[in-house]
Amino acid sequence: DIQMTQSPSSVSASVGDRVTITCRASQGISSWLAWYQQKPGKAPKLLIYAASSLQSGVPSRFSGSGSGTDFTLTISSLQPEDFATYYCQQANSFPLPLTFGGGTKVEIK
Amino acid sequence: EVQLVESGGGLVQPGGSLRLSCAASGFTFSSYWMSWVRQAPGKGLEWVANIKQDGSEKYYVDSVKGRFTISRDNAKNSLYLQMNSLRAEDTAVYYCARDSSHAPDPNYYYYYGMDVWGQGTTVTVSS
Repeated sequence: DIQMTQSPSSVSASVGDRVTITCRASQGISSWLAWYQQKPGKAPKLLIYAASSLQSGVPSRFSGSGSGTDFTLTISSLQPEDFATYYCQQANSFPLPLTFGGGTKVEIK
Repeated sequence: EVQLVESGGGLVQPGGSLRLSCAASGFTFSSYWMSWVRQAPGKGLEWVANIKQDGSEKYYVDSVKGRFTISRDNAKNSLYLQMNSLRAEDTAVYYCARDSSHAPDPNYYYYYGMDVWGQGTTVTVSS
């Protein structure tokens, strides 16, 4: 199975900062990667699909890039509502196992 | 409004069984693959199982194979997860989610992510 490794596991940042989260796949997954945001006690929310496509309704300060094994999620200017945990998910062999990364918690500095 | 609502969670003893339900509304349920995803307390997300639009294909994470069964009733716009031989490590919040995808070829999918999620239902396995 494909393993997904996110880094860092947590990051402290201030409002207005640029934040970058990395996700690495154990083997090539083309561009079949999604990013989700989860706030405490809430269901995850889809932010990015196909590595770089912004889900409808998601603010443009969120962007995704990468292909193959290395991917990034960037928040260009962190807003108060962006403090949350972010997960990557690979779907290279959909519908076969859809693996999530371990998550990155974005905390207030 | 597009919505998924889970139910059926609760406290169950190790070795017991539970059936989760997920009621869909606001979209054509029969047109989508559907998944169950779980999250153990304080842990990350884990995909559990998914099922094709017509129920003809089902896939599971290795840790639940032979114990959990995913099913759907398109006439009732409902998704189910039958969980048997439950273990303490199955304790989690269970979410149902809509898989957004397109199949230009019978053997190849474009995947657009889990774009609709329910609020989750909590399963606790403990004696």
